[in-house]
Amino acid sequence: NAGVTQTPKFQVLKTGQSMTLQCAQDMNHEYMSWYRQDPGMGLRLIHYSVGAGITDQGEVPNGYNVSRSTTEDFPLRLLSAAPSQTSVYFCASRGSGSPTNEKLFFGSGTQLSVL
Amino acid sequence: GNSVTQMEGPVTLSEEAFLTINCTYTATGYPSLFWYVQYPGEGLQLLLKATKADDKGSNKGFEATYRKETTSFHLEKGSVQVSDSAVYFCALNNNAGNMLTFGGGTRLMVKP
Repeated sequence: NAGVTQTPKFQVLKTGQSMTLQCAQDMNHEYMSWYRQDPGMGLRLIHYSVGAGITDQGEVPNGYNVSRSTTEDFPLRLLSAAPSQTSVYFCASRGSGSPTNEKLFFGSGTQLSVL
Repeated sequence: GNSVTQMEGPVTLSEEAFLTINCTYTATGYPSLFWYVQYPGEGLQLLLKATKADDKGSNKGFEATYRKETTSFHLEKGSVQVSDSAVYFCALNNNAGNMLTFGGGTRLMVKP
């Protein structure tokens, strides 16, 4: 089982460029999410999805778009990158049980630098 | 809103020392509490969890007890190993939503 796969692992962008961070899971999980990790601030939720065609905002959604056309994939789009978006991004998924009981499975992360 | 506060790191210990990483929380209702661990270059992995007051979560020699009266979920291990070097995150999830709230993380360094 591959679990949660994120690509790319590293990316450098110039201010104003756009890009898409890819996330795919092969566990048939309904719930998928994107977090950003910044020093001393832990992980903060950007967007999440509870199934194909359903997305919702997390704690820090501004500057990011998502869509969920299939159960397996949940891409994160930066339409116009800003230096404040320099961070490590993690995709995570879990099964369809109770949010309080199901553990999150994380990808290995994408380190993004915006110059 | 919900929040999680962890002790600042890094925590540096010698092998076989006793470990405590403090975690306190603020939440409405009765949240579930988690400890996740992040090894270098990897994503987070669930270490242990507790879903109600006085529950004790345990895994790989680590333990944490859900203390509602002190709103705490401190992580402990009796004898740490070099392989335990990682960043540890305390987190909570209340019954209402799909958002996991994380603390800032505590880096543990264990020296041989």
